[in-house]
Amino acid sequence: DQQVKQNSPSLSVQEGRISILNCDYTNSMFDYFLWYKKYPAEGPTFLISISSIKDKNEDGRFTVFLNKSAKHLSLHIVPSQPGDSAVYFCAASLNYQLIWGAGTKLIIKP
Amino acid sequence: DTAVSQTPKYLVTQMGNDKSIKCEQNLGHDTMYWYKQDSKKFLKIMFSYNNKELIINETVPNRFSPKSPDKAHLNLHINSLELGDSAVYFCASSQGTGSKNQPQHFGDGTRLSIL
Repeated sequence: DQQVKQNSPSLSVQEGRISILNCDYTNSMFDYFLWYKKYPAEGPTFLISISSIKDKNEDGRFTVFLNKSAKHLSLHIVPSQPGDSAVYFCAASLNYQLIWGAGTKLIIKP
Repeated sequence: DTAVSQTPKYLVTQMGNDKSIKCEQNLGHDTMYWYKQDSKKFLKIMFSYNNKELIINETVPNRFSPKSPDKAHLNLHINSLELGDSAVYFCASSQGTGSKNQPQHFGDGTRLSIL
């Protein structure tokens, strides 16, 4: 049973435009949410996180929004750059474990 | 400087063999993890050690045995390898339990292929 879902396996966005990556979850007990970015043949790297008591967190070009009533979070990247092309994983924290989504491959077109 | 390093990067071996994957972190973290990324690309926690003590032990076959000689190392030994063990194995570390403000830092993965 997938507790964290990323329903879009891939997303293609024009350079300079906004990229929006989505993540849905089922467990209302998750207390923290994180986004990781992964390049091929490398491990995931931490990008940005948000506590369950907040609805927005911003870091430069990256903003994460949390809608607890909808059990939905999204990562906005603006403006999108070629180096943003990667797989993005959403992860949720529960009892000190991270539950991961399957990832969304973001392709930034020149 | 590599923060979390795993060796080997690639491992090709035959069914039934025993193999080990090593992991070292130089971040001074006190918690280390092993994950398996399966064919559907999900990252699933296998084990977690905090200060050399096992704190997470998910349902994995007992052919998998982690060993933490010190806080900076967490090795994974696999006995009697099976075809289904083919996957990418990631080591990670964090300060504390790795959520909240202390995210996990990952190695580049070990690609295990069973012939």
